[in-house]
Amino acid sequence: KQEVTQIPAALSVPEGENLVLNCSFTDSAIYNLQWFRQDPGKGLTSLLLIQSSQREQTSGRLNASLDKSSGRSTLYIAASQPGDSATYLCAGSGNTGKLIFGQGTTLQVKP
Amino acid sequence: NAGVMQNPRHLVRRRGQEARLRCSPMKGHSHVYWYRQLPEEGLKFMVYLQKENIIDESGMPKERFSAEFPKEGPSILRIQQVVRGDSAAYFCASSRSPFLNTEAFFGQGTRLTVV
Repeated sequence: KQEVTQIPAALSVPEGENLVLNCSFTDSAIYNLQWFRQDPGKGLTSLLLIQSSQREQTSGRLNASLDKSSGRSTLYIAASQPGDSATYLCAGSGNTGKLIFGQGTTLQVKP
Repeated sequence: NAGVMQNPRHLVRRRGQEARLRCSPMKGHSHVYWYRQLPEEGLKFMVYLQKENIIDESGMPKERFSAEFPKEGPSILRIQQVVRGDSAAYFCASSRSPFLNTEAFFGQGTRLTVV
């Protein structure tokens, strides 16, 4: 049974810092790994999708990597801004065709 | 191309009433997933449907909850005889194919409050 864990649960950093959010999964038979952003009271916005044949994806100041052998994914945010404050969720899919979510990391970027 | 549309955005029901949550997938998407997010908890899978078929309902409570995705129209998540513990945000996601190598797109959610 796939389980997804995110560390840390909460993170507070000053504006401008580079930061790394961690996601680990128990079953290495993972097909893809997707990172989402959720603002309070809002839905989920897809940030990056790493497909099974890929190791990383980049979009602007965001970079996500996937290492299936170690069961880990990281989301790197460069030059953080107050607008990056949100909860970041990672989710992996296995051969059941559904996404399993971690509990999320709540990020606060202070001006 | 409109995104995943969920309505209503907010729903208030008294205990014992029925709640009907609707989800219209993105154009061209025939796979729909429902998730529930309880306060201060993560998203939990409920059910996976394709047109007219339930593929995986392993996350659905055994009683009072049902889901459908008819040939025409939106997917419906129905909760009968709601209780306070049903208060949560319910999210719908859609994709072109199962979440194996396909990006998932989520709606804004329906926030159900049971009073």
